[in-house]
Amino acid sequence: DAKTTQPTSMDCAEGRAANLPCNHSTISGNEYVYWYRQIHSQGPQYIIHGLKNNETNEMASLIITEDRKSSTLILPHATLRDTAVYYCIVRAGSNDYKLSFGAGTTVTVRA
Amino acid sequence: DADVTQTPRNRITKTGKRIMLECSQTKGHDRMYWYRQDPGLGLRLIYYSFDVKDINKGEISDGYSVSRQAQAKFSLSLESAIPNQTALYFCATSDRGQHNEQFFGPGTRLTVL
Repeated sequence: DAKTTQPTSMDCAEGRAANLPCNHSTISGNEYVYWYRQIHSQGPQYIIHGLKNNETNEMASLIITEDRKSSTLILPHATLRDTAVYYCIVRAGSNDYKLSFGAGTTVTVRA
Repeated sequence: DADVTQTPRNRITKTGKRIMLECSQTKGHDRMYWYRQDPGLGLRLIYYSFDVKDINKGEISDGYSVSRQAQAKFSLSLESAIPNQTALYFCATSDRGQHNEQFFGPGTRLTVL
């Protein structure tokens, strides 16, 4: 699986958009970008995934650059409950079970 | 996720003791996983199972064993616990779909003295 690089931490103001970057310059053509988050020692929670098109769901948006070497997770209106560690993971899709968690980005949403 | 439960939630034990952690799921998923998390680090895969009685080693299987006797249950055993197995342990499940999103349990905090 391709390696990902994320900032160690970032702050965000409540009600504002939080933009979380992720670099994955060695991503291969069949690999997807996945985002999970972990709220203080709870089990990780799936957020979103994408291949090359931008994706949006009820939790977030995922913007993937045209060359697919980086992506940004956008939390459109951050709340205090979004304070968590966010993991960007790259893996192949079909039949690939493995999730390789790095250290992630610790996001702190401040009132 | 309430569909994936783990017991016990907390356990303190002594070096050399045998410990079993249990995971149950009501999601009807075929695939189940065990991860451990050490402070400040991401999760690492210990074992995984794609079906009943199917067992596969993950990144860090040494010192652990698992059992999958039923679709809904996956247990993790530490035959002789040691202090560096002190960690937070998570069970997860997924279906066979293309992107098999993993659903995690609430975790078991294990301390080995």
